[in-house]
Amino acid sequence: GDSVTQTEGQVTVSESKSLIINCTYSATSIGYPNLFWYVRYPGEGLQLLLKVITAGQKGSSRGFEATYNKEATSFHLQKASVQESDSAVYYCALSNTGYQNFYFGKGTSLTVIP
Amino acid sequence: EAGVTQSPRYAVLQEGQAVSFWCDPISGHDTLYWYQQPRDQGPQLLVYFRDEAVIDNSQLPSDRFSAVRPKGTNSTLKIQSAKQGDTATYLCASSFQGDTEVFFGKGTRLTVV
Repeated sequence: GDSVTQTEGQVTVSESKSLIINCTYSATSIGYPNLFWYVRYPGEGLQLLLKVITAGQKGSSRGFEATYNKEATSFHLQKASVQESDSAVYYCALSNTGYQNFYFGKGTSLTVIP
Repeated sequence: EAGVTQSPRYAVLQEGQAVSFWCDPISGHDTLYWYQQPRDQGPQLLVYFRDEAVIDNSQLPSDRFSAVRPKGTNSTLKIQSAKQGDTATYLCASSFQGDTEVFFGKGTRLTVV
């Protein structure tokens, strides 16, 4: 089936250090999935962080980057230098071309410590 | 621009009770989604509408869950006879057909004891 697997549980990183949250996907019924990272800051709703709809392309936002790697079926989220304000829960997701449904990973809770 | 609004924010029920959740999508968005998010899981689609029509409700437990969007704007998700397994956050989201961005509300956190 269609699914997303990402770094699970909690991740703690010191401020100014680099971050990578792994995401791999399976898209057996979706030929060319669209890939997303969503984020939920404390007290807020889920919001789009970045998206990539073409294999081989890179998306970026707020210092975060992710590259759509179709061969490896991966979409890892990276940031070179995290800040306390990046503390949030991050979700990797995929959808079909018509955006009719999103398949989400279980989420990764990031805590950035000063 | 107002975002997706949901109410109530929290609900606590005993098993067997009924509850309704309400969602007001972003004005002009024709597509509305309801997701269920159990603790420590990602959101999972229950049902989605385009205008007032149900497009996909295949994941909606039809014996106890129902969802309507009668005028193609606001929507109500109802659970009849709640079970402990329904404990989760219920998220409403909306988008404009063909747009890549889906906007989520803050959710309703339901606890069934």
